[in-house]
Amino acid sequence: DAGVTQSPTHLIKTRGQHVTLRCSPISGHKSVSWYQQVLGQGPQFIFQYYEKEERGRGNFPDRFSARQFPNYSSELNVNALLLGDSALYLCASSFPSAGTGELFFGEGSRLTVL
Amino acid sequence: GQQVMQIPQYQHVQEGEDFTTYCNSSTTLSNIQWYKQRPGGHPVFLIQLVKSGEVKKQKRLTFQFGEAKKNSSLHITATQTTDVGTYFCAGTLYSGAGSYQLTFGKGTKLSVIP
Repeated sequence: DAGVTQSPTHLIKTRGQHVTLRCSPISGHKSVSWYQQVLGQGPQFIFQYYEKEERGRGNFPDRFSARQFPNYSSELNVNALLLGDSALYLCASSFPSAGTGELFFGEGSRLTVL
Repeated sequence: GQQVMQIPQYQHVQEGEDFTTYCNSSTTLSNIQWYKQRPGGHPVFLIQLVKSGEVKKQKRLTFQFGEAKKNSSLHITATQTTDVGTYFCAGTLYSGAGSYQLTFGKGTKLSVIP
């Protein structure tokens, strides 16, 4: 069975640009969460979506947005990139609800902003 | 906002020695989860504790959840080189409207000297 898949795995952008990161959850999982992990730190919660609705938002600026599609895949968008946005962006899916179950993480998208 | 503190930040042990990492929350948690992240990898779920005072064991790993549901610990007996990685606790707090937020600690990076 396929795990959580994320794309792209690595990308380099320059300040001010926009980026879209994609995530496909494990089949049957309806909840997707996004986390930002800066080197040497723990993952920081950005968004959670369940059944295509936003169920939670972390302390991130409005430059960060996300959405979940009918097939439960998700996109994370970041506008007006800053150097400080350089990080590993992790997507995690969970089953069955938007509650407190085990998170299955993807390998992540490593973003470098120059 | 909710904070989850984790100590120590780093731990170097000789193979065969024991290892403990501690986690403390500023607020009462719905539950606590533990994850392990190998170098260059993504977090992998280890366990979830839900009940006050709960203790769970997985082979050489012992997990505890405090009576007040504000602290937790992970103890590894007789470490092996395969235990190398960063161990994260993550506390779940109900944030209203059917939404739960999982807040990660900064992690404890374990090095095992053969």
